[in-house]
Formats: sequence, C-alpha cells, structure tokens
Amino acid sequence: AQSVTQPDIHITVSEGASLELRCNYSYGATPYLFWYVQSPGQGLQLLLKYFSGDTLVQGIKGFEAEFKRSQSSFNLRKPSVHWSDAAEYFCAVVYNNDMRFGAGTRLTVKP
Amino acid sequence: EPEVTQTPSHQVTQMGQEVILRCVPISNHLYFYWYRQILGQKVEFLVSFYNNEISEKSEIFDDQFSVERPDGSNFTLKIRSTKLEDSAMYFCASSEPAEFYGYTFGSGTRLTVV
Repeated sequence: AQSVTQPDIHITVSEGASLELRCNYSYGATPYLFWYVQSPGQGLQLLLKYFSGDTLVQGIKGFEAEFKRSQSSFNLRKPSVHWSDAAEYFCAVVYNNDMRFGAGTRLTVKP
Repeated sequence: EPEVTQTPSHQVTQMGQEVILRCVPISNHLYFYWYRQILGQKVEFLVSFYNNEISEKSEIFDDQFSVERPDGSNFTLKIRSTKLEDSAMYFCASSEPAEFYGYTFGSGTRLTVV
C-alpha cells in the first residue's frame, strides 16, 4: 500500500544542535515530496519541495532535505536549531495529483 | 503572492447543525482539496475536486459531507449534521494542473462542535 512514514513521533534537541527528521515513502514511482511545518494552532507552511533534479533541496528558515531514491527517503535537516523551530513537522507526498501526509514529528527545542 | 483564503477562521456549532466552510482558491488553479486535522493528529485527506466534480474522496468523506463550487471563485465544504467528532481544523488547498508546483494551503478553519 502507498504510504508516508515518519518514524519519530517526538524529537527533542538542544538549541544550536543539528536536526534530522526522517521521512520514508512507499510508492511505485518517485512522487513529489514536501516538508511542511505547523506551529501550534496555525496552518501549514511549506518548508521545501522536491520534484526532480538535484537531490539536495534548500528551503526556508535554513532547512534542507535530501532525496535518496535507494532508501525511499526524504529526510529534513538543519545544522543548528533555533528555539523558534519548535513545531510539528509533516512530510507529504503527491502522487497522481493527490497529496498524503505523514503522521508528523513534534520537535521540542531545549534551551 | 497569491493565497488561498478560508472563512471563517473559527466556527462553533451545535451538534446536529449544518455548517458550511468556505474557501477561495487561487484564481488560476483548477484542482481543489479539503483536508482535516483533528487536534494533535495527522492531516487527513478528505476530497479532491476538479472540473466541477469530485475526483477522489477518502473513507472519511461520507454522506454527511459535500463539496460545491457555487460560482467561479468559492469552493465550499458542507457538513450536514455535525457530530462531536467532526471538531477539527479543516484546510482547503488548490493547485494548477498544467505545471505542478505543489499545493497552496489556506490557513484553516477551526470547527468546534458542542
């Protein structure tokens, strides 16, 4: 079955530390891939997206993600986390023009 | 930058009442979507709409739900007889088919059923 998996429900990192949020998908072909961030009570903000080409994509707020076809992964990274990055992060895929979301990873940032 | 606009931002309704959530997609977009997010849970697909008809719907989108594009600009989600478990954030999104750049989401309508 086609799915998007975010294995980590909750991650805690210290401010200034590096971050990697995992996302795996299972689709027959390479879908379009996205990362969204959601602050409490807010909407979905697009961080970055991958359609084709360079497998390392840069997004807003210093985030980047790398598409690895062999691992069916699209992990989100940030070299140095800021307290304002605390939020819920959703990986999403679009396949045949329909978007599906992972369950989300909640990021807590320790001072 | 073009936006998807949703109104109201928050709606409180009594159980059993009908509600209509409104969305104004980006003007040159032709695909429209509704998603739901129950508090603390994942974002779930409800329905997609293209060419004045539903193109796909999820198991959640049962007979109490309906969508409509009553004019050239609005896209509505109607919930006929609301239940407590319909309380959620509802997101509208739109996309253009000719060249896919991704979805643009509205800021959501928080529906509270009491």
